[in-house]
Amino acid sequence: NAGVTQTPKFQVLKTGQSMTLQCAQDMNHNSMYWYRQDPGMGLRLIYYSASEGTTDKGEVPNGYNVSRLNKREFSLRLESAAPSQTSVYFCASTQQGAIPTDTQYFGPGTRLTVL
Amino acid sequence: AQSVTQLGSHVSVSEGALVLLRCNYSSSVPPYLFWYVQYPNQGLQLLLKYTSAATLVKGINGFEAEFKKSETSFHLTKPSAHMSDAAEYFCAVSDGGGSQGNLIFGKGTKLSVKP
Repeated sequence: NAGVTQTPKFQVLKTGQSMTLQCAQDMNHNSMYWYRQDPGMGLRLIYYSASEGTTDKGEVPNGYNVSRLNKREFSLRLESAAPSQTSVYFCASTQQGAIPTDTQYFGPGTRLTVL
Repeated sequence: AQSVTQLGSHVSVSEGALVLLRCNYSSSVPPYLFWYVQYPNQGLQLLLKYTSAATLVKGINGFEAEFKKSETSFHLTKPSAHMSDAAEYFCAVSDGGGSQGNLIFGKGTKLSVKP
C-alpha cells in the first residue's frame, strides 16, 4: 500500500494564480483532511470530509475550496493564491473520523510558495 | 473547546539522556490524546495514543506517555535518547464536539540530540 500520496511535492506560484493540490489514499478510509503547517503554529485544519460526498470547514478555510472526488481522492484548490498561503500542506485520512480514537495517516506534504 | 499546550518549542538533550516533552490539555469532555512525530521533510506518523484504556501508554521507538487527569497532562518520555530521535513532536487532542474525530494540534516541540 502506498498509503496517502500527495502531488505535487513542491510548487511556486505568483500572487493571483490558481492551483489544485491532489491527495489520494489507498486504505479504503472514509474520512480525509487537509492541514496547513506554518513554523511555530503546529498543524491547522483547513477542510475535512467525514465521508464521500460531504465536506466541512475547519479552523482556517478562507481562500480554499475542496472536492471529495470519490472515496480515494480529496483535492484542495487555491482560486487566487496569496503570499499568506505560503505553507506546507498535508493531507491525512482515517478509517472513521467519527470515532475520536482513530489514527490519522498523513501524506508527505506539498511545499507551496506564493510570490 | 479542546486545546493542547506544548511547553518548550525546542528541547535539546545529549545522546543517552532522558527525553521529556511536555503537553498539557484542556478539554470539557474526557480527552483522547495523541503524540505524533515528524522527521525532517516528512509527514506525521503516530507515536502513541491515549484512549482511556490505560493511563500509561507505550508507543513505538521506546517512547511512552502517562495520562494524568489531576494535572491535565500527557507528557512524552523516553529513557535514553538516540540520534535518530531528532525530529519535531506534536501533541494533539481529539475534538469531542460535533466534528468528533478532528484533531487539534499543539504548536510542536523540536527535539535535538547531541552526540
